[in-house]
Amino acid sequence: SAVISQKPSRDICQRGTSLTIQCQVDSQVTMMFWYRQQPGQSLTLIATANQGSEATYESGFVIDKFPISRPNLTFSTLTVSNMSPEDSSIYLCSAGGWVGTEAFFGQGTRLTVV
Amino acid sequence: AQTVTQSQPEMSVQEAETVTLSCTYDTSESDYYLFWYKQPPSRQMILVIRQEAYKQQNATENRFSVNFQKAAKSFSLKISDSQLGDAAMYFCAYRSSKTSYDKVIFGPGTSLSVIP
Repeated sequence: SAVISQKPSRDICQRGTSLTIQCQVDSQVTMMFWYRQQPGQSLTLIATANQGSEATYESGFVIDKFPISRPNLTFSTLTVSNMSPEDSSIYLCSAGGWVGTEAFFGQGTRLTVV
Repeated sequence: AQTVTQSQPEMSVQEAETVTLSCTYDTSESDYYLFWYKQPPSRQMILVIRQEAYKQQNATENRFSVNFQKAAKSFSLKISDSQLGDAAMYFCAYRSSKTSYDKVIFGPGTSLSVIP
């Protein structure tokens, strides 16, 4: 198993600004995943981050809007850039590295853009 | 591409009773993993139960059990002796077993209410 610490847990931001969300795993993991969960909705994958290479983005998400860093096997950041109220969501990081294992999740970041 | 469907947006159950949440999925793969996750208001995603597709035996975890029908691509969750703490969003999820890099695909979720 893996324990994932995600911060901040919540934030209220002004439109046009950027927020960086951090995710720390207590063990080395191959892949980390970033999800967005809009109110009352399911989880939508933003991107997959592998250490040492550029993140792979899902359709509808672009690097300029959601840049991701993965400097080592235990840490990743997601930045939400040039925010608008439509970016208000819960953002969750997830880790996995073993075939078929379940994904482990951070506590999520509730972002409100005003 | 794989998809996961949950046809019940909301369900309710009387405390101490049993409830079954439905899930169907679509895949062309023969080996994969299925999960049920619980998300209480705290937002924390909690794994409830997992099932390996190659196993015929249905998984069980205390009061939680699944009915896995591989041919029908069905994976329902049964909660017995429901407790107030079971109230949450429940997500059915799929993960390929091909590589360790595969993402988890989530269904739309079922909101479960437990009535005292």
